[in-house]
This record gives sequence, structure tokens and C-alpha cells, in this order.
Amino acid sequence: AQSVAQPEDQVNVAEGNPLTVKCTYSVSGNPYLFWYVQYPNRGLQFLLKYITGDNLVKGSYGFEAEFNKSQTSFHLKKPSALVSDSALYFCAVRSAEGGNTPLVFGKGTRLSVIA
Amino acid sequence: GAVVSQHPSWVICKSGTSVKIECRSLDFQATTMFWYRQFPKQSLMLMATSNEGSKATYEQGVEKDKFLINHASLTLSTLTVTSAHPEDSSFYICSARPGTGKAGELFFGEGSRLTVL
Repeated sequence: AQSVAQPEDQVNVAEGNPLTVKCTYSVSGNPYLFWYVQYPNRGLQFLLKYITGDNLVKGSYGFEAEFNKSQTSFHLKKPSALVSDSALYFCAVRSAEGGNTPLVFGKGTRLSVIA
Repeated sequence: GAVVSQHPSWVICKSGTSVKIECRSLDFQATTMFWYRQFPKQSLMLMATSNEGSKATYEQGVEKDKFLINHASLTLSTLTVTSAHPEDSSFYICSARPGTGKAGELFFGEGSRLTVL
């Protein structure tokens, strides 16, 4: 079975400081990993994904994430946070093996960037 | 990126009525669409996988007679909440992925907030 853990319900960071939103996963075989962001009463927007290749993935709005196979982690990072980054962030995983399975999402982490 | 359109964005209905939510892929064909439900301050719960031209696959615990899914074309899937009750009030989000490859990201509609009075 696939699962995603986002251990922090809330992350607070001052504007201009680096931010990290944590994600660990469990999946059979190799993973496809994704990060999405959700603003209030909106759908999810795709930020970045890891499929294969370089473990450091760069995505939209200056975000990046590092795939760590040994730690089964895919933490989201940004060097300098903006107030506009405040939102709900979801990590998601799908197994690279098998049929066309849906994404499994973590519970989400609310990021609050304080000016 | 690809665009998924969802309609309506907001709907308020009386208990006992049925509500239809549409999900359209605007610039790609989607043989498979996914319907999620999100409770306040919670994650997305997969309700069902909608397959074009065939029956939807429902997740355990989701009533198929309650949440009717129809995927009549490669660009349209509908979710009908039948005989809605206040506990059905939620945020419903659809998603789809261009092509058949598994590595592609899902694109999400803007969601539909259902309030049942």
C-alpha cells in the first residue's frame, strides 16, 4: 500500500528565511513523487515532481525538492520565503509499477510566512 | 500546463435534492479522471476513479448509489450527489492527467463547494 506522511500540520517562517516542508513516503517499488499547493477554496496547483534522474528537482515559484531514497523522503524547500507562499502544501506519491493508480496524498502542511 | 475546468464552483441545495458537478478537460483528452473529497482542514480523500466508457471504480466506503459518476466522453466526467444530506457538504475536486503515462502529474479542477441545508 502507498502512503505519505507530512509530520507537521503547520510551519511558520519569517519572510526572507529559508523554508522546509517535510514529506516521507512508503510505496512498493520506485516512487513518482509530487508536490502541490492549495490556496483557500481553490483546487490544487502542481509545483514539481520527481520521476527519475537528478535527486534535486526544481519547480514553480522558486520551490525545489530533494528525493532521498534511503530516507524515503521528498522534502520541499525554498531558499527565501515570501508572504505569498502562505498556503496549504500537499505531498503525493504513486508507485512507478503496476497499472494507472491514483495519487495518494499526505494530510497537508499549512505554511505561514510572516512579514 | 493542462487545464481542468470544474462547474459549479459553489452550490447550495436543500436536503433531499440531487446535485451534479461537471469536470472537463479543456485542452486534452482524459480516459481517466479522479474524484476527490476534501473536508475542512483535511487532506484529499479519493472517492472514485472515473473511466471513459465504463463504470467508475469506487474506493472502499464510498456509496456508488449515492455518488453517481458518469464519464461519457474523453473530456467530461460528472459527479451527481443524489438525495443530498447535510453530511454530504464538502469540497469536491476532480483531476485528470493527459495521456496514459503514469509519470505525468495530475491537473486539478478548481473544486466545487457543496452546502446542503
